[in-house]
Amino acid sequence: AQTVTQSQPEMSVQEAETVTLSCTYDTSENNYYLFWYKQPPSRQMILVIRQEAYKQQNATENRFSVNFQKAAKSFSLKISDSQLGDTAMYFCASAYGGSQGNLIFGKGTKLSVKP
Amino acid sequence: DTAVSQTPKYLVTQMGNDKSIKCEQNLGHDTMYWYKQDSKKFLKIMFSYNNKELIINETVPNRFSPKSPDKAHLNLHINSLELGDSAVYFCASSQDWGGRSGYTFGSGTRLTVV
Repeated sequence: AQTVTQSQPEMSVQEAETVTLSCTYDTSENNYYLFWYKQPPSRQMILVIRQEAYKQQNATENRFSVNFQKAAKSFSLKISDSQLGDTAMYFCASAYGGSQGNLIFGKGTKLSVKP
Repeated sequence: DTAVSQTPKYLVTQMGNDKSIKCEQNLGHDTMYWYKQDSKKFLKIMFSYNNKELIINETVPNRFSPKSPDKAHLNLHINSLELGDSAVYFCASSQDWGGRSGYTFGSGTRLTVV
């Protein structure tokens, strides 16, 4: 079974500093995609960043970037210049191009940005 | 325009009742999903439809029945509601199979069974 593991249930960071959220996954597939979703208190699921497994270059979206280590099956999220609005649950997720096309989520990391 | 809309946003009901949650997407996506988020925030797939055909049916009590009248709609009907059904239910859609183009979520329906 494919799994996604987030080992940090909670983290905190001071405003304007940098924080890294960890994620590992397990798959035997070659064709897959990795995602980070943000869920603020409003409970809306917001796509933060997306990585295609066959691309070696790490994805970047403004202050958000990933460190994708394919051999180690690691997909961490770095948030630079943290802002109060970054306070949320962050979910790492994977999807596979085979018969199961749904997202498989990790248990989430609750991030608090402190002023 | 809301891309994936769910109604209602909140639903409070008594044990034993039957209720439905509606979902509509205006993105032209081929695949729609229902996810359940439990009290610990864990998200798990329940059902998936591709072009109105049921593709994924996870281990979910048969009191839960999805219905897809067309590609743009995927409704969730729940019979004989139980306390343990209390959760947030998310509808989502994707253009293709496997997430190449990403997934878009609705804003969720918080179901409380009393």
